[in-house]
Amino acid sequence: EPEVTQTPSHQVTQMGQEVILRCVPISNHLYFYWYRQILGQKVEFLVSFYNNEISEKSEIFDDQFSVERPDGSNFTLKIRSTKLEDSAMYFCASQGQGGYTFGSGTRLTVV
Amino acid sequence: GENVEQHPSTLSVQEGDSAVIKCTYSDSASNYFPWYKQELGKRPQLIIDIRSNVGEKKDQRIAVTLNKTAKHFSLHITETQPEDSAVYFCAAPPYNQGGKLIFGQGTELSVKP
Repeated sequence: EPEVTQTPSHQVTQMGQEVILRCVPISNHLYFYWYRQILGQKVEFLVSFYNNEISEKSEIFDDQFSVERPDGSNFTLKIRSTKLEDSAMYFCASQGQGGYTFGSGTRLTVV
Repeated sequence: GENVEQHPSTLSVQEGDSAVIKCTYSDSASNYFPWYKQELGKRPQLIIDIRSNVGEKKDQRIAVTLNKTAKHFSLHITETQPEDSAVYFCAAPPYNQGGKLIFGQGTELSVKP
């Protein structure tokens, strides 16, 4: 069964540092998403991406966040200057005819 | 925008009993309602979904019912087993907003052997 893969599985970073979270969506999917889940809370939408551009973003997705699809396979989320409150699990997802598939997530810890 | 409310936040049942989790949504044009199971530290896994043109869908011990008039949908798990213990999330997509999902707050289900 096709999978969405995310790397790294766990990232620890100093406050103020930049991080890049990487995702490889399912190859024939056209819609890509990033979601965030703070420990013990619900999954929150960050951004959707279609046709090489952002189609929608939430109020969480401020100027510190950016997404890119630099080649035909990778889909990245960059946080420019991390804050303590950015600590969370970040899930990538892609969507095709069969619906959503979530990646296994990256646990980001900002210290 | 879409708002999804989920109840209860925690649910404890004895093995073999049934469990019911309920969600309400606000966007009357929403037309797809998935349920996800999330084990500790893992990704959300789709367990069942329903589209707005049907009122009920069943898959073995799991069923989902949808009441479009009242704007609520429910997850029913029968003959619960300890491995059903997890956090369950409902979700709904706001109509015509590119497929993003708005999740409920989650229900932590505990099945006691």
